[in-house]
Amino acid sequence: GAVVSQHPSRVICKSGTSVKIECRSLDFQATTMFWYRQFPKQSLMLMATSNEGSKATYEQGVEKDKFLINHASLTLSTLTVTSAHPEDSSFYICSARVSRETQYFGPGTRLLVL
Amino acid sequence: GDSVTQMEGPVTLSEEAFLTINCTYTATGYPSLFWYVQYPGEGLQLLLKATKADDKGSNKGFEATYRKETTSFHLEKGSVQVSDSAVYFCALRDQAGTALIFGKGTTLSVSS
Repeated sequence: GAVVSQHPSRVICKSGTSVKIECRSLDFQATTMFWYRQFPKQSLMLMATSNEGSKATYEQGVEKDKFLINHASLTLSTLTVTSAHPEDSSFYICSARVSRETQYFGPGTRLLVL
Repeated sequence: GDSVTQMEGPVTLSEEAFLTINCTYTATGYPSLFWYVQYPGEGLQLLLKATKADDKGSNKGFEATYRKETTSFHLEKGSVQVSDSAVYFCALRDQAGTALIFGKGTTLSVSS
């Protein structure tokens, strides 16, 4: 199947700094990408839907100024966690949609904020 | 709102044992139902899906039947292998949506 990569795979940062996570579709183009957040032993929670060339659509309760999403090309979406705090520590997963029925997931990025 | 509930893990089995992971859902209308699998260090992969009532999804020896009367989509496999050790997620997508709603995931550990 198609491959979606995420970079970095894990990151540790100090409280107050910003962290950028990249999501790339390696062998296909995706007009829509999704960002999820997963807490330990919890389900994946959809944070936002990222559409190429337009503003992201955020789910209720997700701060758009905190979690900046940029979908600048058909193969790249970025999530920037601004002024990160320990409560932002989590596992962030992206997926890229190729059709209504099919989306491919990245391996995830583990963020630890000290 | 829509939601998915799947059995708590971890599930620990011996090789060749029978596997059932329960999944029930709450949704209006006729959602599409999915099982995803996540192997260690990898992204979620679609295992199987069903898009309407009574459909049976199957792949790699795994099966799940869309039961609207019981709002369930239980995952089964007749004989598990060590290589099946992974985290399994049940998910739905409603008729109007494009994003997926996931259960909490069930960790399966198979020993030889």
